[in-house]
Amino acid sequence: EVQLVESGGGLVQPGGSLRLSCAASGFTFSNSWMSWVRQAPGKGLEWVAVIKADGSVKYYVDSVKGRFTISRDNARNSLYLQMNSLTAGDTALYYCARDTGSYLGFDYWGQGILVTVSS
Amino acid sequence: QTVVTQEPSLTVSPGGTVTLTCASSTGAVTTGNYPNWFQQKPGQAPRALIYSTTNKHSWTPARFSGSLLGGKAALTLSGVQPEDEADYYCLLYYGGVRVFGGGTKLTVL
Repeated sequence: EVQLVESGGGLVQPGGSLRLSCAASGFTFSNSWMSWVRQAPGKGLEWVAVIKADGSVKYYVDSVKGRFTISRDNARNSLYLQMNSLTAGDTALYYCARDTGSYLGFDYWGQGILVTVSS
Repeated sequence: QTVVTQEPSLTVSPGGTVTLTCASSTGAVTTGNYPNWFQQKPGQAPRALIYSTTNKHSWTPARFSGSLLGGKAALTLSGVQPEDEADYYCLLYYGGVRVFGGGTKLTVL
């Protein structure tokens, strides 16, 4: 059974930092591209970042470039999102998802982890 | 900045048919955008329905189908069930960047 479990969320002050983690199981993580997607309260889905299976290629939505860094540890079957210089606009539920592109699209999603940026 | 547009809301009667569309600000949506469709119910994570325009996942009910229609990606629900009431999102690939549509709230009434 495929499982994606996010952790590391919480309340952080504006300007602060947070590191999200996503533990993967049930599939060959080291062969899979992975994405982070977020959803602000009451709003739609927003794609945030993607990383290639070997970590060599990364893409970001413009609004987080220079502030967020996506990374992975294939030995630990884990995906990360380092978030710096956080603002209220980053408040959202953050999902990790397996992103297979033309193969199977975004097929598996975690349950999400809440990040709240507030003073 | 690329914008992907969906109908904000649609209403359908049980047993009816409805088509949701997904348009790109860059022009016609093509198979090269690998359109994906997702269903999201309140308090739940999104669930994948369709990938690469027309392909269903193993768990996708047969009443859901994907296509290209008039330069847009489309999701058609045939024989709508009450449990299909949900938010639906499309996703398009633009090379390395992915963009979600704003979502369609589907009401079954």
